[in-house]
Amino acid sequence: EAGVAQSPRYKIIEKRQSVAFWCNPISGHATLYWYQQILGQGPKLLIQFQNNGVVDDSQLPKDRFSAERLKGVDSTLKIQPAKLEDSAVYLCASSLVSEPNSPLHFGNGTRLTVT
Amino acid sequence: AQSVTQPDIHITVSEGASLELRCNYSYGATPYLFWYVQSPGQGLQLLLKYFSGDTLVQGIKGFEAEFKRSQSSFNLRKPSVHWSDAAEYFCAVGPSYNNNDMRFGAGTRLTVKP
Repeated sequence: EAGVAQSPRYKIIEKRQSVAFWCNPISGHATLYWYQQILGQGPKLLIQFQNNGVVDDSQLPKDRFSAERLKGVDSTLKIQPAKLEDSAVYLCASSLVSEPNSPLHFGNGTRLTVT
Repeated sequence: AQSVTQPDIHITVSEGASLELRCNYSYGATPYLFWYVQSPGQGLQLLLKYFSGDTLVQGIKGFEAEFKRSQSSFNLRKPSVHWSDAAEYFCAVGPSYNNNDMRFGAGTRLTVKP
């Protein structure tokens, strides 16, 4: 089966600019996650979707971050305006369902550098 | 809230030597525990998981982990390390009902010497 696809792989922007990341989960996976992984840290959940609805966005900085999964398949994560501290790898993951016995499948991530 | 501590930021072992990566967790109920591996430029891949039952769990690539409730630990082991095992390893803990409360440790970077 095809894995989780993310694009772009790398992005360099200046602070106060906007950026968008795209994720296409594994076919049939209802649950989609966006994680932020800052250098030297483990991934931190930003938002979780179940189909096209948001399950948890409690750790999403909503003043600058937004995400959508309009048709319940692919998803976009946007940052506007970006800050220096947003430099990180943004990982998308999907799972069949949201229970822990349904493992997460991660994409290769988008590495964002904000200068 | 649950949390995970990986005490070792970086470990170096010789190829063919045994490996143990430490993970300590804090969780109020029976935890679901996971080990993931991340190669450079890649996403995370699940190595193994513990939900219940036998406290020694086997995973992919010859890895195993042992759940010790009395020590709040879930250490990852491999009897003989291969050069291709060089990567970042993450321990994670989560509740029984939803992945959105999963917490990852900061990771341990493994270097393998020839």
